[in-house]
Amino acid sequence: RKEVEQDPGPFNVPEGATVAFNCTYSNSASQSFFWYRQDCRKEPKLLMSVYSSGNEDGRFTAQLNRASQYISLLIRDSKLSDSATYLCVVISSNTGKLIFGQGTTLQVKP
Amino acid sequence: NAGVTQTPKFQVLKTGQSMTLQCAQDMNHEYMSWYRQDPGMGLRLIHYSVGAGITDQGEVPNGYNVSRSTTEDFPLRLLSAAPSQTSVYFCASSSSAYEQYFGPGTRLTVT
Repeated sequence: RKEVEQDPGPFNVPEGATVAFNCTYSNSASQSFFWYRQDCRKEPKLLMSVYSSGNEDGRFTAQLNRASQYISLLIRDSKLSDSATYLCVVISSNTGKLIFGQGTTLQVKP
Repeated sequence: NAGVTQTPKFQVLKTGQSMTLQCAQDMNHEYMSWYRQDPGMGLRLIHYSVGAGITDQGEVPNGYNVSRSTTEDFPLRLLSAAPSQTSVYFCASSSSAYEQYFGPGTRLTVT
């Protein structure tokens, strides 16, 4: 089983829609979680950290569910410019290194 | 600041050839890493460094060497290229384990 798993999608949604992605992790001792965004043929960039209490940044909300070992990313009022691949990242409690999920692709249509 | 730069952007090698992928950062970051990205696999850590003179292996180190003689530079050497090393290679740097700044990537094809 992969340490971090995501549904690769693609998720095809119309502009203005609300869309949510989940990411599961296998190591219950993992402490730090992030969402990165990667545009087509570009490098990944940090989108937001995920805090235990949940956090919001504009149209983006990140949640952590430790009991079920998943994190989620909610995007409200989707824009065409949100089209990208969203990477779930967990810091391994064993090694301290970043473990990347394979990414979930979002395509927002007009 | 240029951030993290990588050269070359594209490279085609024949099986058995060797080459060095260059990576440089101007943010005075201690941490630098090399990842490869393959379809359906996510980014996988090849080698990393926590400071000049210190390197360590990541998840998929076989077939690659690194060195860190300065804070700024972290080259990745392919010793004898194989088709399985066809991938996109990203270098990253950070001042902590958290936010990593990635370079634009090198697309490598081994025939």
